[in-house]
Amino acid sequence: ETGVTQSPTHLIKTRGQQVTLRCSSQSGHNTVSWYQQALGQGPQFIFQYYREEENGRGNFPPRFSGLQFPNYSSELNVNALELDDSALYLCASSSGQLYNEQFFGPGTRLTVL
Amino acid sequence: TQLLEQSPQFLSIQEGENLTVYCNSSSVFSSLQWYRQEPGEGPVLLVTVVTGGEVKKLKRLTFQFGDARKDSSLHITAAQPGDTGLYLCAGSKNAGNNRKLIWGLGTSLAVNP
Repeated sequence: ETGVTQSPTHLIKTRGQQVTLRCSSQSGHNTVSWYQQALGQGPQFIFQYYREEENGRGNFPPRFSGLQFPNYSSELNVNALELDDSALYLCASSSGQLYNEQFFGPGTRLTVL
Repeated sequence: TQLLEQSPQFLSIQEGENLTVYCNSSSVFSSLQWYRQEPGEGPVLLVTVVTGGEVKKLKRLTFQFGDARKDSSLHITAAQPGDTGLYLCAGSKNAGNNRKLIWGLGTSLAVNP
């Protein structure tokens, strides 16, 4: 069973640029959630995709957008990057059954200069 | 906004000491999960508790779900430096198509040798 993978591991961008982060969900999982995490704090929910449709969104502006593909992998796109977007971006997949247990990838560390 | 409050926010103890981390809410959850996260990595699921009053043990870690399913605690006996990390609780409501978790802000634990 393959776990959740994310790419790239690290990324450096400049303010105003656009970025795409990728996530491959765990085998058998149809739900992907994206989180932003500042150092030493809990994850902040960005949005969730279930069977290719957005299934809830946190308090993030529209320049944060996403996609889920038929194989349930997912992308997070951020436009017009700001300095405050620097964070660890986590992807978690789940089967959506029972207790919504989520399995996380290692994250993408985004630095905006 | 429904939140899970974790306390303490930070904890620094010596190897061999015991500690308890609390996760409280005014809302009822159908299940609650505990995760541990090490620097630069994604959170890893430790346990899921689902029944009011349930106690689960994982080696030196003891997890309890409150009788009313609004709170939970994590107790670590004889802490070791390997226990260092960010401990996160997350609750699920399993209402309709709700596949999202509500997260606490985390307890950062440092166990000093």
